[in-house]
Amino acid sequence: AQSVTQPDIHITVSEGASLELRCNYSYGATPYLFWYVQSPGQGLQLLLKYFSGDTLVQGIKGFEAEFKRSQSSFNLRKPSVHWSDAAEYFCAVLESGGSNYKLTFGKGTLLTVNP
Amino acid sequence: GAVVSQHPSRVICKSGTSVKIECRSLDFQATTMFWYRQFPKQSLMLMATSNEGSKATYEQGVEKDKFLINHASLTLSTLTVTSAHPEDSSFYICSARSGQGRNQPQHFGDGTRLSIL
Repeated sequence: AQSVTQPDIHITVSEGASLELRCNYSYGATPYLFWYVQSPGQGLQLLLKYFSGDTLVQGIKGFEAEFKRSQSSFNLRKPSVHWSDAAEYFCAVLESGGSNYKLTFGKGTLLTVNP
Repeated sequence: GAVVSQHPSRVICKSGTSVKIECRSLDFQATTMFWYRQFPKQSLMLMATSNEGSKATYEQGVEKDKFLINHASLTLSTLTVTSAHPEDSSFYICSARSGQGRNQPQHFGDGTRLSIL
């Protein structure tokens, strides 16, 4: 089975500072990778995804992520964090499950933004 | 964009009752729907996958008789927690996809907070 590791359970940054959230995956073939954001009591919103091509992908809300096959990583970055970015962030990989493709999520990283 | 509506958003009920959660795709046909369970401060755990008109496929360790899933139409799937007990309290999230290709996006509902007293 595939797996996704988010090493940081909780990260605190100051507003305006840069952000990097780490994600490592285990997948035999070319992975389809995703980053989702979840506000408290809400569902998941897709920030960005990587399927193929350019390894640096741009997403919504000023986020970007870089796929590095050699490091099995897909880290999420933002140059300047806003207070509204405080939320839980999940990295996910799409894997084949019988007749369906299904998402496997990491445990998430909680982002706190200090004023 | 594609919208998935989940209802109710919150439900509180007594132990022993059954609770039904609805998941609707509002502007697309959801050939595949997924049900997840999320414990506090933890990740989403896939419970089951259902294709329209077929029986749901449950993940290992999920009791199919306890968590009944129906996907009778291309816009509606329901999860019924039967004879709910306090340990079933959790945040349940549905997700829907149109088509089965790897490139098909998966859209999430806003979740249902289930509290069993």
